[in-house]
Amino acid sequence: NAGVTQTPKFRILKIGQSMTLQCTQDMNHNYMYWYRQDPGMGLKLIYYSVGAGITDKGEVPNGYNVSRSTTEDFPLRLELAAPSQTSVYFCASSYRGFGQFGSPLHFGNGTRLTVT
Amino acid sequence: AQKITQTQPGMFVQEKEAVTLDCTYDTSDPSYGLFWYKQPSSGEMIFLIYQGSYDQQNATEGRYSLNFQKARKSANLVISASQLGDSAMYFCAMRERSLTNAGGTSYGKLTFGQGTILTVHP
Repeated sequence: NAGVTQTPKFRILKIGQSMTLQCTQDMNHNYMYWYRQDPGMGLKLIYYSVGAGITDKGEVPNGYNVSRSTTEDFPLRLELAAPSQTSVYFCASSYRGFGQFGSPLHFGNGTRLTVT
Repeated sequence: AQKITQTQPGMFVQEKEAVTLDCTYDTSDPSYGLFWYKQPSSGEMIFLIYQGSYDQQNATEGRYSLNFQKARKSANLVISASQLGDSAMYFCAMRERSLTNAGGTSYGKLTFGQGTILTVHP
């Protein structure tokens, strides 16, 4: 059971380049998330999705775009990369079950992105 | 305003002793859920414990317990009998209801605090 898979694990971008961080989950979870974690800091929500075709902004959406065309996949697009986007990016998913609040997030292993 | 506040940037504890990591939260919704996660130096996020706002009893999971004081809006994590492997960053998080841009209500949004680094000394 793979869980949440993120690719790539590491990436270096030049300022102004674009890239897509891939995330896929095989647990049939409704909810998916993208967080960023700056060094020594907590996780900030970039975007989240409550199901295929539905996405919503989190705390720090500027400079990012997402799409959710399938239940399994939730790619994060960076357009015109900036040094401020240097961070570790985590994708996560959770089940929307009977106990709506109680389903924990399952995290991927993260993507370490450096923009120079 | 901060939704989740963890006021202890770092904590130290002796092996085998208990330690409490503080977490306060801010919400006006009576329905919410509170989580604690552990992040070791390897970077993965590990779910530890969950407390629902309507749960009558404090949650416990092995050596972890959550000291839930609803009126004070606090959800402190207590680790009993600390082990060297408990050294890590610990995050408190809250899930609450939100309106989606599709016009519905979701229970998906989960907000994290800044974290507390716990160091266990032998």
